[in-house]
Amino acid sequence: DADVTQTPRNRITKTGKRIMLECSQTKGHDRMYWYRQDPGLGLRLIYYSFDVKDINKGEISDGYSVSRQAQAKFSLSLESAIPNQTALYFCATSDPGQGGGYTFGSGTRLTVV
Amino acid sequence: AQSVTQLGSHVSVSEGALVLLRCNYSSSVPPYLFWYVQYPNQGLQLLLKYTTGATLVKGINGFEAEFKKSETSFHLTKPSAHMSDAAEYFCAVSDGRSEKLTFGTGTRLTIIP
Repeated sequence: DADVTQTPRNRITKTGKRIMLECSQTKGHDRMYWYRQDPGLGLRLIYYSFDVKDINKGEISDGYSVSRQAQAKFSLSLESAIPNQTALYFCATSDPGQGGGYTFGSGTRLTVV
Repeated sequence: AQSVTQLGSHVSVSEGALVLLRCNYSSSVPPYLFWYVQYPNQGLQLLLKYTTGATLVKGINGFEAEFKKSETSFHLTKPSAHMSDAAEYFCAVSDGRSEKLTFGTGTRLTIIP
């Protein structure tokens, strides 16, 4: 099994729908992150969590919410999806003291029509 | 605030030729610097990282990078390109404390047979 698992791998949804992207990890790390990737823009941080009770907004959190259900699970929700949220979404974990040595999931490709 | 600039969104090199991917950073504190690689339909994989100490860092698959503080650069090199090196490469910076990564916009490397 992968260290970081994201579900679903691909999703097409309609404008206005609520959708949840799920992430689970077996690394035992406290720190988890959600990024989105857009062509030509690289990866941008949406939300991050340093433990179950510590959740923080990233640079592009508007339109998104998160839930840290357990150390191993970190979900990203789009409350009312819009077309410009079409992107590739990545979950990642990190080990404290590594300064950014992330382990990434394989990504969720989301299309909002 | 930190930022990363990757010069060249697309780079093409012949098989066996030198690979050079450029990355310049901006940071108000001593940076931690990273190179990640993304193969098609996959997540990002850590190639190498610089935190402290030796400024020439060796990574996986024959890649290396040199931290040059005076030039605020962290360019990625490989002496001889292989077809399997075709991928997208991302440079990233963190402040070493928060572990949040700021990514560049990526460079797509194409290998010409």
